[in-house]
Amino acid sequence: AQSVTQLGSHVSVSEGALVLLRCNYSSSVPPYLFWYVQYPNQGLQLLLKYTSAATLVKGINGFEAEFKKSETSFHLTKPSAHMSDAAEYFCAVTQTNFGNEKLTFGTGTRLTIIP
Amino acid sequence: GAVVSQHPSWVICKSGTSVKIECRSLDFQATTMFWYRQFPKQSLMLMATSNEGSKATYEQGVEKDKFLINHASLTLSTLTVTSAHPEDSSFYICSASGGALNTEAFFGQGTRLTVV
Repeated sequence: AQSVTQLGSHVSVSEGALVLLRCNYSSSVPPYLFWYVQYPNQGLQLLLKYTSAATLVKGINGFEAEFKKSETSFHLTKPSAHMSDAAEYFCAVTQTNFGNEKLTFGTGTRLTIIP
Repeated sequence: GAVVSQHPSWVICKSGTSVKIECRSLDFQATTMFWYRQFPKQSLMLMATSNEGSKATYEQGVEKDKFLINHASLTLSTLTVTSAHPEDSSFYICSASGGALNTEAFFGQGTRLTVV
């Protein structure tokens, strides 16, 4: 069984400030972890994914996430928030590195950027 | 990245009618497609997994006779909501994977269904 928990359904940060979105996972096998972004009325876009190659994963749009096995965490960060970062963010987990494996999503975190 | 296109992006239908949503992989062969449902301000709930040429595998609690899924080709899957009711109103999203791009699933832009 596998699951992810996203702490904080809403996060607000000022433009230029650090963005930190939290995700903790539970998995009976080594997990593959993902962060997706969703803009209003759109599908999901992959920001980054952890596939056990490196614990610090860099993604698109300046985002990165660090896999910490001891903390079972995969938090998403960005040093300086932009207005365009306002969106819904989903953490997800699966058990293989194959796209035909179904994803288990967290409940999402809505990021608001304050001008 | 690969492109997955959903059509229509939004649809309004009358209660009791059926609605078909298409999901196409434009530049790769999608051996597997997933259909999700998303209620407002909530996460994605997997409805079913379909492999090309096979019957779809539905998640527990999803009515297969109401949500008909067809994956007859490597580039097209369809979801038909039969005898739609207002409670079926939701955002439906598909994703696809396959071939050399089988290391991740690519998502369509979603379809907002409103049943009146």
